[in-house]
Amino acid sequence: DAEITQSPRHKITETGRQVTLACHQTWNHNNMFWYRQDLGHGLRLIHYSYGVHDTNKGEVSDGYSVSRSNTEDLPLTLESAASSQTSVYFCASSESEEWGSPLHFGNGTRLTVT
Amino acid sequence: QKEVEQNSGPLSVPEGAIASLNCTYSDRGSQSFFWYRQYSGKSPELIMFIYSNGDKEDGRFTAQLNKASQYVSLLIRDSQPSDSATYLCAVVGTPGAGSYQLTFGKGTKLSVIP
Repeated sequence: DAEITQSPRHKITETGRQVTLACHQTWNHNNMFWYRQDLGHGLRLIHYSYGVHDTNKGEVSDGYSVSRSNTEDLPLTLESAASSQTSVYFCASSESEEWGSPLHFGNGTRLTVT
Repeated sequence: QKEVEQNSGPLSVPEGAIASLNCTYSDRGSQSFFWYRQYSGKSPELIMFIYSNGDKEDGRFTAQLNKASQYVSLLIRDSQPSDSATYLCAVVGTPGAGSYQLTFGKGTKLSVIP
């Protein structure tokens, strides 16, 4: 069965370190998204991609970057981790640009920045 | 800034009752509307999507859309304790460049009491 896999599931890092969260999907979807979820804020879009070599900033992109070198993967990099980036991160993918097709979510990565 | 508003709850209903979850959105041109369910510590999972005004039924779930009032709701009939979760409303804005990503509400926490 097709799926979307995030790794690691849990990560603890120190302030100032670079961190990369992996996201791999086997749906063969063109669209991939990174969200963060915090109490009181809900799900907020960080970055998204509509295809290979395409990346776009979302609502809360400062301090994050992504690259899309193939269809399957969209890694999220925190250039210099800050305590404000402690959160649960979800990767998601969708099939089509038309009418906003439903998102398929990964299981999430819980990141703690100390 | 596109906004999606939900009552955070918690909404408590007795087992077997109808649970009514509501959502309003700010972008009048929005075309696609989704309801996701999220259990504690898990990723969101799609319950229903609706594109046209009116009602859409799927088993115990009914989504209702009123674009004139910018209002979408989810009814859960014969509520079960297993329905206890946070329900997220998500909206795709006016069709156009960069508008295919979903904007999520903060979610309504539902508790079904046995």
